[in-house]
Amino acid sequence: ETGVTQTPRHLVMGMTNKKSLKCEQHLGHNAMYWYKQSAKKPLELMFVYSLEERVENNSVPSRFSPECPNSSHLFLHLHTLQPEDSALYLCASSQAGVRMEKLFFGSGTQLSVL
Amino acid sequence: GQQVMQIPQYQHVQEGEDFTTYCNSSTTLSNIQWYKQRPGGHPVFLIQLVKSGEVKKQKRLTFQFGEAKKNSSLHITATQTTDVGTYFCAGDTGNQFYFGTGTSLTVIP
Repeated sequence: ETGVTQTPRHLVMGMTNKKSLKCEQHLGHNAMYWYKQSAKKPLELMFVYSLEERVENNSVPSRFSPECPNSSHLFLHLHTLQPEDSALYLCASSQAGVRMEKLFFGSGTQLSVL
Repeated sequence: GQQVMQIPQYQHVQEGEDFTTYCNSSTTLSNIQWYKQRPGGHPVFLIQLVKSGEVKKQKRLTFQFGEAKKNSSLHITATQTTDVGTYFCAGDTGNQFYFGTGTSLTVIP
């Protein structure tokens, strides 16, 4: 276990559904991230929260909405997704500082949009 | 835009053979990290390199950071079946991490 827990592990949803992905870290880190991993593509950074403030939003469609209520919890709210949004969604945490510290990843949520 | 390219995309080796993956950045990096992702798993941090020309070893794995801090390599000596997985580099520009496309390693027993 890496100390970063993601739920659910698998999710199948229709394009009209609303669902949320949850991430919790037990490492005392102050930065949390959402990454998207699609086949044959690099890991894509979606959102970064540092000290509970969003510091990065890489032109992600508004159908993805992050929420960080505290430094240990991170959510990704999903609504009206498209089939091309099917991917592995990875949460990660690190200790934010001057230099990028190593990322601790959760096991991911494998999302299928029908 | 910023890109971190990795080659090769796939590599199949006989158990006991060596393996190398290369990572190249279009811009100078402040540091570079390497991750391993087992099939069905999630990326796990291996190492971080910070200094120009730095070389670090972890048992059979040797990591190198180029003099210009634009490229890096990971070399595995005498591969074992436990080395199977995808190896990613991640370059830090000082503002953001850019993950490479990854090299998928298959080790044939």
